[in-house]
Amino acid sequence: DVKVTQSSRYLVKRTGEKVFLECVQDMDHENMFWYRQDPGLGLRLIYFSYDVKMKEKGDIPEGYSVSREKKERFSLILESASTNQTSMYLCASKEGGTYQETQYFGPGTRLLVL
Amino acid sequence: GDSVTQMEGPVTLSEEAFLTINCTYTATGYPSLFWYVQYPGEGLQLLLKATKADDKGSNKGFEATYRKETTSFHLEKGSVQVSDSAVYFCALGDSSYKLIFGSGTRLLVRP
Repeated sequence: DVKVTQSSRYLVKRTGEKVFLECVQDMDHENMFWYRQDPGLGLRLIYFSYDVKMKEKGDIPEGYSVSREKKERFSLILESASTNQTSMYLCASKEGGTYQETQYFGPGTRLLVL
Repeated sequence: GDSVTQMEGPVTLSEEAFLTINCTYTATGYPSLFWYVQYPGEGLQLLLKATKADDKGSNKGFEATYRKETTSFHLEKGSVQVSDSAVYFCALGDSSYKLIFGSGTRLLVRP
């Protein structure tokens, strides 16, 4: 079975803290993605990676960075957390580079920044 | 740019009722279309997809037909169950990496 796991289901952080969200997939997929989900806005792409050490900005990259040192792991970093980054964060992976392919999602991390 | 519009929720139905959730899209090319479902406390999972015009995707009693002439991909189910209560997202894939999501529609099914 396809599996995408995220390091935490819930996180509470203080404004200004550095926050790491980890995602691991066991499907040997080339592509990995980070989205944030907010009510009424659907999912918005923050960053994606199409290969180890390769990354591309999505629609809302400001305030975030990413790291992909190994194929199976994709990390999202909030350099200095702010209250407007309180959200649900979803990681996804996809095998290849065509747009017909399915993205597989992790369970999500609900982040609260105080 | 490309976009997806889906009906606002929540949609509240009684068990065994007929379900339609509307989805329309704007795209310059020939996108693939997807429906994802998010059950409470979980991530998204693919419900069905269609990769070209007139294709019908189906799964678990749900169906959607890719209609290029009306730029629509409406989700239907003939008889909903309480276990279908979830948030449903319509999405469009128009490039090698990106999915564009609608805002989601919450479905509540009452016994």
